[in-house]
Amino acid sequence: GQNIDQPTEMTATEGAIVQINCTYQTSGFNGLFWYQQHAGEAPTFLSYNVLDGLEEKGRFSSFLSRSKGYSYLLLKELQMKDSASYLCAVGSGYALNFGKGTSLLVTP
Amino acid sequence: DAGVIQSPRHEVTEMGQEVTLRCKPISGHDYLFWYRQTMMRGLELLIYFNNNVPIDDSGMPEDRFSAKMPNASFSTLKIQPSEPRDSAVYFCASSQEGVFYNEQFFGPGTRLTVL
Repeated sequence: GQNIDQPTEMTATEGAIVQINCTYQTSGFNGLFWYQQHAGEAPTFLSYNVLDGLEEKGRFSSFLSRSKGYSYLLLKELQMKDSASYLCAVGSGYALNFGKGTSLLVTP
Repeated sequence: DAGVIQSPRHEVTEMGQEVTLRCKPISGHDYLFWYRQTMMRGLELLIYFNNNVPIDDSGMPEDRFSAKMPNASFSTLKIQPSEPRDSAVYFCASSQEGVFYNEQFFGPGTRLTVL
């Protein structure tokens, strides 16, 4: 089975940096995914890690440590439009098991 | 491409009624997933198909739920009879088998309310 934990809510200031953590325990693993979901909308893909280390994509970066069952999503130069829910998901085969998501509020 | 298409976008029904949700995946995608999202339980995988064949339905809550994929461009999720606890947003997603990973593309969802 899968157990995926991430904080429920976070608040950060426009222009700042925020790190959203995710820990997981899994019986099968073929990658760690991050999705963004704005209120009332569908989740959209942000990043994928399968090897340990940092993947950078513009203002967003994602880190993975498989031995620790740990990942984080780093958002730099926060913008108001980054207010959304961020979902951590563990890949198992072709399926994804999602955490409950972290609701991020960016304030002026 | 139009993306994943779901219908209806909103459904309000009474307890005991049959509900059918529909999904058209992105053309060429060979995986289709059905999810349910609630505040309490988050985004849960219900069932997924590969080349129209159900691969894993262990997430389907009970016998009241059934899903079919008669062809590569259409899938249905049926609830019969519906109950108030089935109220949720139901998402369909599709993906294409890739070399390293398969990114899932989500439809806009169907918001189901069972009274």
